[in-house]
Amino acid sequence: QSALTQPPSASGSPGQSVTISCTGTSSDVGGYNYVSWYQQHPGKAPKLMIYEVTKRPSGVPDRFSGSKSGNTASLTVSGLQAEDEADYHCSSYAGSNNLVFGGGTKLTVL
Amino acid sequence: QLQLQESGPGLVKPSETLSLTCTVSGGSISSSPYYWGWIRQPPGKGLEWIGTIYYSGTTYYNPSLKSRVTISVDTSKNRFSLKLSSVTAADTAVYYCATPSALSISWYLYWGQGTLVTVSS
Repeated sequence: QSALTQPPSASGSPGQSVTISCTGTSSDVGGYNYVSWYQQHPGKAPKLMIYEVTKRPSGVPDRFSGSKSGNTASLTVSGLQAEDEADYHCSSYAGSNNLVFGGGTKLTVL
Repeated sequence: QLQLQESGPGLVKPSETLSLTCTVSGGSISSSPYYWGWIRQPPGKGLEWIGTIYYSGTTYYNPSLKSRVTISVDTSKNRFSLKLSSVTAADTAVYYCATPSALSISWYLYWGQGTLVTVSS
């Protein structure tokens, strides 16, 4: 199984919206509705932001939303805030009880 | 609320076996029909799923690591463990234990703080 493909970086100004992509194949992202997104601040553990493509755990602001089209999943952060600056990682179920992650995207709030 | 804490040596010699333990508090592994997993992150890189164990003992491993990985659970001590054999410098990473606190292996809600393991002679 290969890692999912994410852009190394993304950026936006406060108040704007930014979308981060996560591209896989029909064997992972495209084949299952089990894409998740994690936010990770420097030196901290990842935090689950989105699971099963569109669901938000309790406490995650609704500024964070997820979607999927074909083999590509996306995380959209609306109304960017300074504290949203972090690394974002996607993951997907890849069949046969396997899980695959992306390489991570560094989001900068300008 | 579940809390997870990794523990184990921070330095392992090449070719030896890396051993880590994840102690769970705020809930009982034996009474929680959940999956419990290990994920690692090499310095400056992305996350890599290592494997997961069901509370009853069934395991699932990353195919690329399967030949070297063993995950086990000790319900009497409310903890689960990771062993990675024949380590090399490429296994240097922050190792996290995590659980979805649900019957899913596709996402993780609760994470430990992570522990850095360096492979070096």
